[in-house]
Amino acid sequence: EIVMTQSPATLSVSPGERATLSCRASQSVGGNLAWYQQKPGQAPRLLIYAASTRATGIPPRFTGSGSGTEFTLTISSLQSEDFAVYYCQQYTSWPPAVTFGGGTKVEIK
Amino acid sequence: QLQLQESGPGLVKPSESLSLTCSVSGGSFSSSGYYWGWIRQPPGKGPEWIGSMYYREKAYYNPTLKGRATVSVDTSKNQFSLKLSSVTAADTAVYYCARHAAMAINWFDPWGQGSLVTVSS
Repeated sequence: EIVMTQSPATLSVSPGERATLSCRASQSVGGNLAWYQQKPGQAPRLLIYAASTRATGIPPRFTGSGSGTEFTLTISSLQSEDFAVYYCQQYTSWPPAVTFGGGTKVEIK
Repeated sequence: QLQLQESGPGLVKPSESLSLTCSVSGGSFSSSGYYWGWIRQPPGKGPEWIGSMYYREKAYYNPTLKGRATVSVDTSKNQFSLKLSSVTAADTAVYYCARHAAMAINWFDPWGQGSLVTVSS
């Protein structure tokens, strides 16, 4: 099983600042990586797929990058609605499998 | 707009089976060409993939569940279901249904709102 490790566990950021979240895979997943945002009591919301493609309706301040085993989600200027937990997820084609990271909580500094 | 809604018992006894249904609206389930999946999230933890299937084809499962999960489809009702056998307290979680993008097991979008299932006697 491919293990996804996210860091840091908690990130304290002031509104308007940049946030950089990391996700590492235990083996190469190519570009098969997605990012989600989750707020309390809600389902995860897709932000990024294929490592760097923004999902429909996601603002451009969210940027995904990376390939292989190292990935980054950057939020360029944090808005109040961006404070949440973020998860990465890899998807392998054969055999089909999906694993999620443990999450990074972005909190107000 | 596609919407998914989970339903099922909120409380299940240890050693019994958990059964959940996902109702799909706003789209044609059987002719859509998508994989459909189940994910769970224990309290305070990250999501865990359970399994996914394509209409009338083989389902794929998380091997860590050791064969306890079964995903099935009822196209006449526009629904798909999850059955998880021999549950323990470790299976307590919010269970989500979701759609993958197109004919592959990849990212999930959209998700249902989730259904909390507690395993307790």
